[in-house]
Amino acid sequence: DGGITQSPKYLFRKEGQNVTLSCEQNLNHDAMYWYRQDPGQGLRLIYYSQIVNDFQKGDIAEGYSVSREKKESFPLTVTSAQKNPTAFYLCASSIMVSELNEQFFGPGTRLTVL
Amino acid sequence: DAKTTQPNSMESNEEEPVHLPCNHSTISGTDYIHWYRQLPSQGPEYVIHGLTSNVNNRMASLAIAEDRKSSTLILHRATLRDAAVYYCILRDPYGGSQGNLIFGKGTKLSVKP
Repeated sequence: DGGITQSPKYLFRKEGQNVTLSCEQNLNHDAMYWYRQDPGQGLRLIYYSQIVNDFQKGDIAEGYSVSREKKESFPLTVTSAQKNPTAFYLCASSIMVSELNEQFFGPGTRLTVL
Repeated sequence: DAKTTQPNSMESNEEEPVHLPCNHSTISGTDYIHWYRQLPSQGPEYVIHGLTSNVNNRMASLAIAEDRKSSTLILHRATLRDAAVYYCILRDPYGGSQGNLIFGKGTKLSVKP
């Protein structure tokens, strides 16, 4: 089955530590996205990538970093510079960056910083 | 960006139809109306989208007002699995944006057995 996988589902880290969230897709999509969701809120865009070796900042990129070395992988690093990292993180992909293309989401990673 | 307004919550009984409204009075001529839903503790999933005409797919129907200032997502027979937060989102293919989805707070649908 094609889809997006995120791991782990739950992640706990101590304050001041960097942590990397995994996102893999086997849909052969060019575009990938990272969103953050806080309780009772909608999603906010952190970073997006239109193609391998290219990525752009979204609305709330401060304190985060990404890489896109392979088409199927788009890992997100939450750095110690992120002031309030506890949140639900969602990865998505689409055929390309376009306002018409359906986005497919992974199951999410819930990060808790202690 | 054009905004959407949805009720915070709605309730339905299982096996009955559900009509989820969305107001978008500032919609532009090129905005498409998209619906996504998010089940508890899961990522959102696409439901349906349309421009002017009503649309049907295996999940739902989308009824769009003639003036396009409002739309209604119709679930023909609600099941317990349809309990989720439903998001109405406007997307402009000519807007030059990042292609991301701009989610509001949506409507939380509860389905009673």
